[in-house]
Amino acid sequence: NAGVTQTPKFRVLKTGQSMTLLCAQDMNHEYMYWYRQDPGMGLRLIHYSVGEGTTAKGEVPDGYNVSRLKKQNFLLGLESAAPSQTSVYFCASRKGQGAGGANVLTFGAGSRLTVL
Amino acid sequence: GQQVMQIPQYQHVQEGEDFTTYCNSSTTLSNIQWYKQRPGGHPVFLIQLVKSGEVKKQKRLTFQFGEAKKNSSLHITATQTTDVGTYFCAGSGGSNYKLTFGKGTLLTVNP
Repeated sequence: NAGVTQTPKFRVLKTGQSMTLLCAQDMNHEYMYWYRQDPGMGLRLIHYSVGEGTTAKGEVPDGYNVSRLKKQNFLLGLESAAPSQTSVYFCASRKGQGAGGANVLTFGAGSRLTVL
Repeated sequence: GQQVMQIPQYQHVQEGEDFTTYCNSSTTLSNIQWYKQRPGGHPVFLIQLVKSGEVKKQKRLTFQFGEAKKNSSLHITATQTTDVGTYFCAGSGGSNYKLTFGKGTLLTVNP
């Protein structure tokens, strides 16, 4: 099992360019999340999905869009990149809700994005 | 919205010293989770606490959940260089769809 795979691992963009980060999980998890991590700011939730075809905003959604067309994939898009979006992006997934480990997050390795 | 405060932001210790990080929520939590992120790595799940007053141990690590389910702590006894990293608490409230993360405590250990 690969777990949660993020592509690309690194990317440099110019201001105004667009790009998509791909997250794929092979654990049949229902819930998927996109976080960004900045120094001293911890992990901040951008968008999340509680099932195929659903998405919802997190605490810092502006400037990002997401799609969950297939259960195993969660895409994060930047339509017009800005230097403030320079960050490390983590995708995470979890089985769902309930007892045991259903609500434990499994993270991908991260995608480091630099916007010049 | 729900806020989770974590202190201290940084902690530097000599190998063999103890370490504690504290987590405080603005609202009552249904559960709290702890994650560890090694330098350059990604967060990895350590443990989940669900019950009021719960205490769990993993070798040298002791995790506590407060009686009011609004605070938690992680204590490491006799730190080792392998303990280096950032420790995050993450709380889940009423909706349970989302985890709100604290800002983390970066632990460095001097050998």
